[in-house]
Amino acid sequence: GQNIDQPTEMTATEGAIVQINCTYQTSGFNGLFWYQQHAGEAPTFLSYNVLDGLEEKGRFSSFLSRSKGYSYLLLKELQMKDSASYLCAVRDNTNAGKSTFGDGTTLTVKP
Amino acid sequence: DAGVTQSPTHLIKTRGQQVTLRCSPKSGHDTVSWYQQALGQGPQFIFQYYEEEERQRGNFPDRFSGHQFPNYSSELNVNALLLGDSALYLCASSLGTTSLEAFFGQGTRLTVV
Repeated sequence: GQNIDQPTEMTATEGAIVQINCTYQTSGFNGLFWYQQHAGEAPTFLSYNVLDGLEEKGRFSSFLSRSKGYSYLLLKELQMKDSASYLCAVRDNTNAGKSTFGDGTTLTVKP
Repeated sequence: DAGVTQSPTHLIKTRGQQVTLRCSPKSGHDTVSWYQQALGQGPQFIFQYYEEEERQRGNFPDRFSGHQFPNYSSELNVNALLLGDSALYLCASSLGTTSLEAFFGQGTRLTVV
């Protein structure tokens, strides 16, 4: 099975940088995803890592170390609208549609 | 181009009743996955439909069943509702079972009283 851990809550200041960590233990691995979910809304795709290293997408970057079972999502130049839950999800190696999600990290951005 | 649409958006049911939730995938997508998201938790995989068949199933009882139609839309049925079934039910669509990206619908908020 899959076990995914991420911090429950984080707080950061507008304009700052924040790093949200995710550790996982899996029986199979076919990629790690990060999603953003605003309260009452659907998760939206942010990033995908399948190989070790850093993937950069504008203000958001995601890093993966498969040997350590570790990933992080880096958010730069924080904006108030970045206040949301950030979900780490590991994709099963047999079926791309089946992902195991962590419980999410609720990020609060303060002025 | 319509994204993933789910109906209804909100639903209140009584314990023991049955419920059917509906999902229309994003245009061009043929695979639908269903997730249950309890308050304060991440989505939990229920099952996935492709080519009108259940392809993968998570750790959910047989009270949870589904269907996919020839137009790729899908239904999630839950029988003998329990209070613990109260959650946000999310549908995610993708192109094929090996697609990298899945698009989520807005979800159906089910409350069992």
